Order: sequence, then C-alpha cells, then structure tokens
Amino acid sequence: GNSVTQMEGPVTLSEEAFLTINCTYTATGYPSLFWYVQYPGEGLQLLLKATKADDKGSNKGFEATYRKETTSFHLEKGSVQVSDSAVYFCALSGDNQGGKLIFGQGTELSVKP
Amino acid sequence: ETGVTQSPTHLIKTRGQQVTLRCSSQSGHNTVSWYQQALGQGPQFIFQYYREEENGRGNFPPRFSGLQFPNYSSELNVNALELDDSALYLCASSRPGTGRQETQYFGPGTRLLVL
Repeated sequence: GNSVTQMEGPVTLSEEAFLTINCTYTATGYPSLFWYVQYPGEGLQLLLKATKADDKGSNKGFEATYRKETTSFHLEKGSVQVSDSAVYFCALSGDNQGGKLIFGQGTELSVKP
Repeated sequence: ETGVTQSPTHLIKTRGQQVTLRCSSQSGHNTVSWYQQALGQGPQFIFQYYREEENGRGNFPPRFSGLQFPNYSSELNVNALELDDSALYLCASSRPGTGRQETQYFGPGTRLLVL
C-alpha cells in the first residue's frame, strides 16, 4: 500500500541555518504530495503541495520538488527562523483514494536564536 | 471566508462511554474527512464524507461512525471508548470533488482524553 517515510527528529538548528527534511514515498500511479506544519497545540496548516512530477511547491521561503525518479519530496529552507519551530508532516494523496491523505510520522524542528 | 471549526476543543471521558465530536467545514467545501492523531504520531485517516455519504474508510472499527449534514457539517461518534482512543481528532474539509489534487484544510482539532 501507499506510505510515507520522513527523517526522524528532532532536528535542532541555529537561526539562519539551512534546513532539509527528507521525505520519501511509496505509491502506485501519480500521487499528489503535500507538506503540512503543526505548531504547538494547533491543527495542521498546509505549507505547500505538488501534484505532478518535477513540480516545485513553495511558500514562506520553504520549497519542495516532486521527484518521481527518487520517489522523494524533501522540504528545504535557506534560512530558518525561531518562528519556524514546529512539527512538519509530509503526506500523499494517491490515485483513486478519494483524496485520503497518508502522513509520515512527522519531524520536529527546533530553531535556537 | 470562515475556516474549519471543531468543537469541543478538549474533552475528558471514561472507558466505555460514548463521545460526539463536531466539525463545520470551510465555506464552499462539501467533503469532510476525519483523522486521529495519537501523541507523537502522524494523523491516521478514519473516514471521509461526501454529499452526506461515507466515501472511504480507514482501518478503524465500526464503533467509529460519522454523519454529514445537508450544510456539510459533520459529526464523529465513538462508542465504547477505550484508553487508546485518547488522541487529537482532526477534521478537514475540501472543495467539491474528491480527487487527489484537492487540498484538505484542517481544523484546530478536538483533544480527547479517555480515563
């Protein structure tokens, strides 16, 4: 079945450091891929998405490129801020799945001043 | 535009009891999905409702049931609560159509504690 694997956290960075959070997936067909962010005590917010191979999603300085050849959707940001501290979830929505989302286990990011 | 809202925000129940959680979808959205997020885990899909009918279900027992109303709001009911049902329950709505490209917008969640 479809699945998502994320790098384990927590990830601790200093402010202005470069961020990469790895995400790989297993799916048949052509899934859509998403990154959601969850701040402490809150629900999930969509950060970015890509719906076909080689698409790049971007938002608030974060980027991720849909790589079908490596089945990956790694999240990157050039310069993190303390306010980026949160849990990040990679997710996919597969073909003929009615929009059901399958999530990775989440990666906690902590940014220190 | 009003986002997805959920009620209550927190709830404490005891084993064996029943609970009802509520969700109002975002304006213009007719599809509602429910997810269970255990502490430290990613959300797990429970089921989805589209035009008042269940449209897909995850690996959850029948004591998890739902409803969708004509105004597209939804309820999640859990009977015979177990300790492992303690979790954050998230509701998400999406625009008409249930395709893989549709973005799901999440509410703040209801945190359920079963004692």
